[in-house]
Amino acid sequence: QKEVEQDPGPLSVPEGAIVSLNCTYSNSAFQYFMWYRQYSRKGPELLMYTYSSGNKEDGRFTAQVDKSSKYISLFIRDSQPSDSATYLCAMSPNDYKLSFGAGTTVTVRA
Amino acid sequence: NAGVTQTPKFQVLKTGQSMTLQCAQDMNHNSMYWYRQDPGMGLRLIYYSASEGTTDKGEVPNGYNVSRLNKREFSLRLESAAPSQTSVYFCAGKFSGANVLTFGAGSRLTVL
Repeated sequence: QKEVEQDPGPLSVPEGAIVSLNCTYSNSAFQYFMWYRQYSRKGPELLMYTYSSGNKEDGRFTAQVDKSSKYISLFIRDSQPSDSATYLCAMSPNDYKLSFGAGTTVTVRA
Repeated sequence: NAGVTQTPKFQVLKTGQSMTLQCAQDMNHNSMYWYRQDPGMGLRLIYYSASEGTTDKGEVPNGYNVSRLNKREFSLRLESAAPSQTSVYFCAGKFSGANVLTFGAGSRLTVL
């Protein structure tokens, strides 16, 4: 079993829809949780960063962490075609090594 | 503002050939990482260097070697390439005390 599970999709939604992405994990030591966005043929870039449980909002993006259920989510409101990308969850127990999910490919249709 | 620069961007090798992927950063990162990305597998850590002069194995180190030449540069070497090493390789750097990685644009390697 992988340490971090993420449904690879693909996910296709119409413009303006809410996109919901999630990951589950097995390592209870994870404390740092991130979402990276990766456009085609580019390197991943950090989108959201949270520590421990709770919610974090940044514009149209909301990240949620539920450590009791070992479950994290990313919501994209009012999705735009420019949000079409692969979204990778990542998490870490410490300062050094991150574990990544497989990534979910999202297409927002105009 | 180059950030993290990887060379080459593309490479085709024959089985058994060797090559080195180069990575350089100008962001004064303490730690540097090499990942490979394969369809359905996500990013898997090959090797990392927590600080200048140190290197450690990650999740999939077999068939690779690394060198942290100085604070700026971290190279990945394939001594005898195999088709299973066909992948997209990403170098990344980060500051100590933070979990935010800055990635390069990737190097696409095909081994025939």
